[in-house]
Amino acid sequence: QLQLLESGPGLVKPSETLSLTCTVSGGSISSANYFWGWIRQPPGKGLEWIGTIYFTGTTYYNSSLKSRVTISVDTSKNQFSLNLKSVTAADSAVYFCAREWGSFRTFDYWGQGTLVSVSS
Amino acid sequence: DIQMTQYPSSLSASAGDRLTITCRASQTIGTYLNWYQQKPGKAPKLLIYAASYLQSGVPSRFNGSGSGTDFTLTISSLQPEDFATYYCQESYSSPEFNFGPGTTVDI
Repeated sequence: QLQLLESGPGLVKPSETLSLTCTVSGGSISSANYFWGWIRQPPGKGLEWIGTIYFTGTTYYNSSLKSRVTISVDTSKNQFSLNLKSVTAADSAVYFCAREWGSFRTFDYWGQGTLVSVSS
Repeated sequence: DIQMTQYPSSLSASAGDRLTITCRASQTIGTYLNWYQQKPGKAPKLLIYAASYLQSGVPSRFNGSGSGTDFTLTISSLQPEDFATYYCQESYSSPEFNFGPGTTVDI
């Protein structure tokens, strides 16, 4: 059974960089059939797609976050990572990693999510 | 940029009710529409993809329909475990895409 697990600091200071890692187990991140994505959800609000990466390193980002986001992949560790720089309180959210598949770009497996708060 | 709206934003229902949630896109998206269910404190769960295809393991009381700009998610007989928030997601504007604002179903 595929599992995804987010890890990283739960508290980040304003203007600093938020860094999270998603570790994939029970399957290979290098599978040709899948992409890997980050989605976030501010407390009490809806879902926002952040970006997606393929195992080759090809990335797609939400245009509203593109200037601050970097997603990378480490196939040797079966992990992919999110860096979001210059954070503000508006970036406080639960961050989910997920597997994306198919031409209809569905997210069929999700991590449990990790809450990141931006505060001094 | 494609805007997604959902209505109602919230509703109250009872077990056994037939429920319909609507998702509307600001422009035509074919059948590039997926539905998710999210319970408090949990990750979203894929229910329906490509507007009408039931994800493996999802009960058959869930049904998706629509194309173009208007889509519906129907639950034929609401079960206690179905009380949750439902999100639609368009993927027509790939590589970017958008989620709807969600519809909360409670008792």
